[in-house]
Amino acid sequence: AQKVTQAQTEISVVEKEDVTLDCVYETRDTTYYLFWYKQPPSGELVFLIRRNSFDEQNEISGRYSWNFQKSTSSFNFTITASQVVDSAVYFCALRRNSGNTPLVFGKGTRLSVIA
Amino acid sequence: EPEVTQTPSHQVTQMGQEVILRCVPISNHLYFYWYRQILGQKVEFLVSFYNNEISEKSEIFDDQFSVERPDGSNFTLKIRSTKLEDSAMYFCASSSGGQETQYFGPGTRLLVL
Repeated sequence: AQKVTQAQTEISVVEKEDVTLDCVYETRDTTYYLFWYKQPPSGELVFLIRRNSFDEQNEISGRYSWNFQKSTSSFNFTITASQVVDSAVYFCALRRNSGNTPLVFGKGTRLSVIA
Repeated sequence: EPEVTQTPSHQVTQMGQEVILRCVPISNHLYFYWYRQILGQKVEFLVSFYNNEISEKSEIFDDQFSVERPDGSNFTLKIRSTKLEDSAMYFCASSSGGQETQYFGPGTRLLVL
């Protein structure tokens, strides 16, 4: 069975602080995909990143960076110099790398960035 | 940029009534999904759909639920006889391939009274 754990339920930071959102996953599959989605207060789910289990390279996109460590089954997300617009619920998700398979989501981390 | 759209954005219904939630996936996508999110909880998979048939469904997707692609653009989720516990945000998603990224619509917030 697949499982995604986001142990941090809520995080509050002051604007311009860096913040890391943790994601730990469990799977018996040898190949899989990992994702992060953002859910702002308006409610939609916005895709942020997809990572193949073959590729352990860290990725940076502007103020966002992701640290994938297969050895610890973690896929953490860091926001550098946080802004108020980063306030949202962030979901980590996992999917098997075979066929048309569904996403398994974590419970999400609610990030509040205070001005 | 192409996006998934959903209608209505909000729906209020009485328990026992039928509801149909509509989605227009991204035009060149072939794989379609429904997920739901009960208020304050995580997003849960309901069903996936490809080539005019269900690929996979979760335990939540019981006989009260059905999906359909009535034409070349719409993808619908029907709940035959709504229950209070069906109150949730329902998200449609689509992808260009079975292993490609799923892009989500803005959701339909369903409230069953």
